[in-house]
Amino acid sequence: GAVVSQHPSRVICKSGTSVKIECRSLDFQATTMFWYRQFPKQSLMLMATSNEGSKATYEQGVEKDKFLINHASLTLSTLTVTSAHPEDSSFYICSACTATNEKLFFGSGTQLSVL
Amino acid sequence: DAKTTQPPSMDCAEGRAANLPCNHSTISGNEYVYWYRQIHSQGPQYIIHGLKNNETNEMASLIITEDRKSSTLILPHATLRDTAVYYCIAHAGGTSYGKLTFGQGTILTVHP
Repeated sequence: GAVVSQHPSRVICKSGTSVKIECRSLDFQATTMFWYRQFPKQSLMLMATSNEGSKATYEQGVEKDKFLINHASLTLSTLTVTSAHPEDSSFYICSACTATNEKLFFGSGTQLSVL
Repeated sequence: DAKTTQPPSMDCAEGRAANLPCNHSTISGNEYVYWYRQIHSQGPQYIIHGLKNNETNEMASLIITEDRKSSTLILPHATLRDTAVYYCIAHAGGTSYGKLTFGQGTILTVHP
């Protein structure tokens, strides 16, 4: 089946630094990718929709200048958390689907801890 | 996405069937019922989806009531590895497919 690879699985960084998370569709082309965030004991919340070759669409309340999303190819989307702070510590999950596929595939998630 | 309501938690004995209910009384005619599950510290995993007919695959069965206001996910022979949070989502699909609205889900605990 289709696989979405997310890297790194875990990152610990100092406050004020930037962290980049990669999301790759390994065996299919993903015209659209999605980024979710999940705080402990809470459900997933959609942050943004990433379309290949165009600007991402952010959900209300998500700072686009803080969470930079790049979708430069049909198999790769990146999320950069800029100037990370402890409140950005969370589980970040990407997902991908194709225009003809009714199944949404998720990455394994990235646990970000900001000290 | 139409609002869905699920019990917060359920228990099931290993080897027995796990029946997870979901209420979606305001579902629209073009919205599918999707089920995903999330094992601790992992990304969600697709299980099954359906529109109005019952569906079965290698993982589970999905029973949708005739009025489509509720559904039940059935894991026929639950194992310890089925312990997870199960999400029921009503969604129209199409180009907005990935914009899924996850509720709190049902925490299923399978015990020996």
